[in-house]
Order: sequence, then C-alpha cells, then structure tokens
Amino acid sequence: DVKVTQSSRYLVKRTGEKVFLECVQDMDHENMFWYRQDPGLGLRLIYFSYDVKMKEKGDIPEGYSVSREKKERFSLILESASTNQTSMYLCASSLQSRAVSYEQYFGPGTRLTVT
Amino acid sequence: GEDVEQSLFLSVREGDSSVINCTYTDSSSTYLYWYKQEPGAGLQLLTYIFSNMDMKQDQRLTVLLNKKDKHLSLRIADTQTGDSAIYFCAEDTGGFKTIFGAGTRLFVKA
Repeated sequence: DVKVTQSSRYLVKRTGEKVFLECVQDMDHENMFWYRQDPGLGLRLIYFSYDVKMKEKGDIPEGYSVSREKKERFSLILESASTNQTSMYLCASSLQSRAVSYEQYFGPGTRLTVT
Repeated sequence: GEDVEQSLFLSVREGDSSVINCTYTDSSSTYLYWYKQEPGAGLQLLTYIFSNMDMKQDQRLTVLLNKKDKHLSLRIADTQTGDSAIYFCAEDTGGFKTIFGAGTRLFVKA
C-alpha cells in the first residue's frame, strides 16, 4: 500500500517562529510537491523537487523554502511564520516516467495555524 | 495563463446522478484528472482520461471530455452518501506541473 506521511496533522505556531513541515514517501518516487489548500482557491503549488537536492519554485514560493536531502523526504520550511500562512499544507509524490500518467499520491495534510 | 475552473458546490439526493463540470485552458494537456478528497484526508486519484479520448467509464463513474470546448465532466451514477467529498478537476500541463481547480464540494442528501 503506497504511503505518503506528514509529520503533523495539526500545528499551532506563533508569528515569527520557524516552522518545519516534514513529508516522507515510501514509493521511491522521484517527484515530490508541497501545496497549500485554501477554501475557494484549491491547491496552489509552493515548491516541487524532481530529484535529491533539486528544487523548483511553484506558483507561490514567497515566504517558504524546501529541503530534499534524501529521496524519500521533502521538507517545507517557513522561515518566519506569518498569519497569512495559516492554511492546510499537502505533500504529494509521483513517478517521473512518462510511461504512466502523472498520478500524484497525497499525504493527509497538516493544518497549520499561525497566531 | 493556465486555469482550471469548476463550481464550488453541488447538492444531490441519494440515488440520483451527480454531474460535476470543469473547464480548463491548456489545449496541450495530455491527461485530465479527477481527484477526490474525503474529510480530513489528502487527495486521491479517482480517474483520469487521455486527451485523445472522448469518454471513459469505470463502474459508476463516467468521464466526458469535449476538447473543442475544453470541458470535462464527471458523472457519478446512483450517488451514495459515501460519495460526499470534494472533487478536484486537474490538468497535466507537461513537465512536472499539474493545475488543480478549486474543488467542488458534493453534498449527498439521504
């Protein structure tokens, strides 16, 4: 059974704190993604990674950074959390080959509240 | 730019058919997807269709694709209360990027 896990389901942090969100997949997928999900806006891509130590900015990278030191792990970092980063954060992974559709496998999400 | 649009809410009675509609803008999309998100969970791929197909049927699910109008729909026959969820339309724009719609919340009345 394929699995993407996220380190926390719920997180409450204060403005200005450094926040780490961790994601681990056990499917040996090359691609990993971080999205934020907000009502009425759907999923917006923050960053993605197509290989270890490789990263690309998505649509809304400002205020975020990422780290991929191992293939199975992709971390999202909020250097200085702000209230407008209160959201649901979803991690996903996918295979890189074009032989299959780019199905993405999602973790359960981390609901982050910044006060 | 790239965009995927869908209505935000749909309410149906149990046993009726549900039809969720979506429009997209990138005519070069290779795959179009429907993902389902149940409460408290991440998204899960429900079905997908290649851009050279008009229709795909999978048990209670029927996907229709109109490439000329860039319109995608998902029909759920005999809708059950367990089908209550948020349904996301998405398109593969090539490379690594998938564009998601805002999601349609389906509410099934018993």
